[in-house]
Amino acid sequence: EDQVTQSPEALRLQEGESSSLNCSYTVSGLRGLFWYRQDPGKGPEFLFTLYSAGEEKEKERLKATLTKKESFLHITAPKPEDSATYLCAVAYGQNFVFGPGTRLSVLP
Amino acid sequence: KAGVTQTPRYLIKTRGQQVTLSCSPISGHRSVSWYQQTPGQGLQFLFEYFSETQRNKGNFPGRFSGRQFSNSRSEMNVSTLELGDSALYLCASSRDSDSPLHFGNGTRLTVT
Repeated sequence: EDQVTQSPEALRLQEGESSSLNCSYTVSGLRGLFWYRQDPGKGPEFLFTLYSAGEEKEKERLKATLTKKESFLHITAPKPEDSATYLCAVAYGQNFVFGPGTRLSVLP
Repeated sequence: KAGVTQTPRYLIKTRGQQVTLSCSPISGHRSVSWYQQTPGQGLQFLFEYFSETQRNKGNFPGRFSGRQFSNSRSEMNVSTLELGDSALYLCASSRDSDSPLHFGNGTRLTVT
């Protein structure tokens, strides 16, 4: 069964404590993998698109990588304003499916 | 460049009523998708419209319907509302099927 999972479900970090979020997928014919950030009461905000294994994208403290079966979102020296839910989504065939998200809290 | 605009932001309806939600996509974007977001189920795909045609549909009952106009604006309708329809309804637009989705801030629907 085609599936998109994310781990961990929730993560609490101290400010400056780097970590990684995982997005795993079991789909055929990947067209792209997307990372989003969602703040409470708002729609998801687009962060990155990755199209092929080995690809990496960076933006400020965030770096996204892609392998054949998973993607990682690395957060370097996070700040409290990085607290949000991070969602990955996979485009394959006619489908665009979101994972359940990782709820990140960064404590000052 | 204006983002995706959804109206209204909040709605309270009673069971059995119907509701229409509106979405204006980013200028130049011809694809509009709708999602339902709940704490338990996450983001669930409802349907996608491209150039006024429904291109894809999720696993929702026929009470959920939508349409897209020639200016790419889209509406979503839910008839015979049930308590379980309470959710954040998100609209997203994109240039084409391989481009990222850009979301509005949603319509929060509460059914009592």
